[in-house]
Amino acid sequence: DTEVTQTPKHLVMGMTNKKSLKCEQHMGHRAMYWYKQKAKKPPELMFVYSYEKLSINESVPSRFSPECPNSSLLNLHLHALQPEDSALYLCASSQEGLASEQFFGPGTRLTVL
Amino acid sequence: GNSVTQMEGPVTLSEEAFLTINCTYTATGYPSLFWYVQYPGEGLQLLLKATKADDKGSNKGFEATYRKETTSFHLEKGSVQVSDSAVYFCALSERGQGAQKLVFGQGTRLTINP
Repeated sequence: DTEVTQTPKHLVMGMTNKKSLKCEQHMGHRAMYWYKQKAKKPPELMFVYSYEKLSINESVPSRFSPECPNSSLLNLHLHALQPEDSALYLCASSQEGLASEQFFGPGTRLTVL
Repeated sequence: GNSVTQMEGPVTLSEEAFLTINCTYTATGYPSLFWYVQYPGEGLQLLLKATKADDKGSNKGFEATYRKETTSFHLEKGSVQVSDSAVYFCALSERGQGAQKLVFGQGTRLTINP
């Protein structure tokens, strides 16, 4: 199984809502990533978890809160988002090592009204 | 810091044409280099990679050679198909705070006309 799954596929939320994005992989990868991608731009790294511990937070606003409940799951909790947070949110996973391929999920298309 | 520069798009070609997408990088040391492809409505997937100088990555008819002397990793394909229409990202891998980070180029949108 070389698949990263993400749910939901689409999400529309108001600025006062609380929602969560979910990511799952069963490849035994110990590194998991959240990216944000705006239209016609490359993915921007948000967070990296390594062995279920937060390794990198790229100065992401606190309205985005990541969580890694176990080695297969990664969540992104959303609260009080702004319209400019509307984007495609991609999850990825990889083995350790700089030469390792990152496997990406299909993404969640988020719209903040 | 490390960076990746790709040729500006969009690129439009006819089917069976030769493709080159230029990619150059700036990095300390010798990073691993990747080409990722993103088809419409999907996440990114690895197309090919190279981990050291003079390595050639290849997949699905695409090739790229890691050139240390010119700090380049240009993507080529001899005969493109309509199904190759997608956005292509060149990237390098660097270590940041104990984890791998990918540094992406801006992406090149490729459209192949029948």
